[in-house]
Amino acid sequence: QKEVEQDPGPLSVPEGAIVSLNCTYSNSAFQYFMWYRQYSRKGPELLMYTYSSGNKEDGRFTAQVDKSSKYISLFIRDSQPSDSATYLCAMSTGTYKYIFGTGTRLKVLA
Amino acid sequence: EAEVAQSPRYKITEKSQAVAFWCDPISGHATLYWYRQILGQGPELLVQFQDESVVDDSQLPKDRFSAERLKGVDSTLKIQPAELGDSAMYLCASRFSGKETQYFGPGTRLLVL
Repeated sequence: QKEVEQDPGPLSVPEGAIVSLNCTYSNSAFQYFMWYRQYSRKGPELLMYTYSSGNKEDGRFTAQVDKSSKYISLFIRDSQPSDSATYLCAMSTGTYKYIFGTGTRLKVLA
Repeated sequence: EAEVAQSPRYKITEKSQAVAFWCDPISGHATLYWYRQILGQGPELLVQFQDESVVDDSQLPKDRFSAERLKGVDSTLKIQPAELGDSAMYLCASRFSGKETQYFGPGTRLLVL
């Protein structure tokens, strides 16, 4: 079993839809949770960073962490075609080493 | 805005040849990471530097891969000899000490024929 599980998709949604992306994990020591966006043939770009449980909002993006369920989510409101990319979750125990999910490919249809 | 620089962006080589990738982290970032990302998968750590010292190279295939960061600034990752299975994106990332967030460069896409 991988430490971090992420559905690879692809996930196709119409423009304007609310998108929900998720990761589950097995290591209860993870405390830092990140979401990256990666466009095709580019490096990952940090979108959201959360410490411990709770919600964090930044514009159209909301990150949620439920440590009791070992489950994290990224919500994208009013999705746009420019949001089409692969979304990677990443986690750390605080030792500055990061475990990544496989990424979910998202396609927002105009 | 400061960025992590990597070169080359693309590299095609034949198996058994040597290849080298270069990374220049964001100025002031003491921690530097090299990751390998196979198509359809997430990045996997190869080596982590703190200044010029290797902190973690447990996942680096040391029989063919080497990495250095001689002056604690830019870094080079080398593969010799390259194998077909080395075809992947090689990503460099850097982080400011004490901060959790790391910043990635654009990557080097390697194709071994």
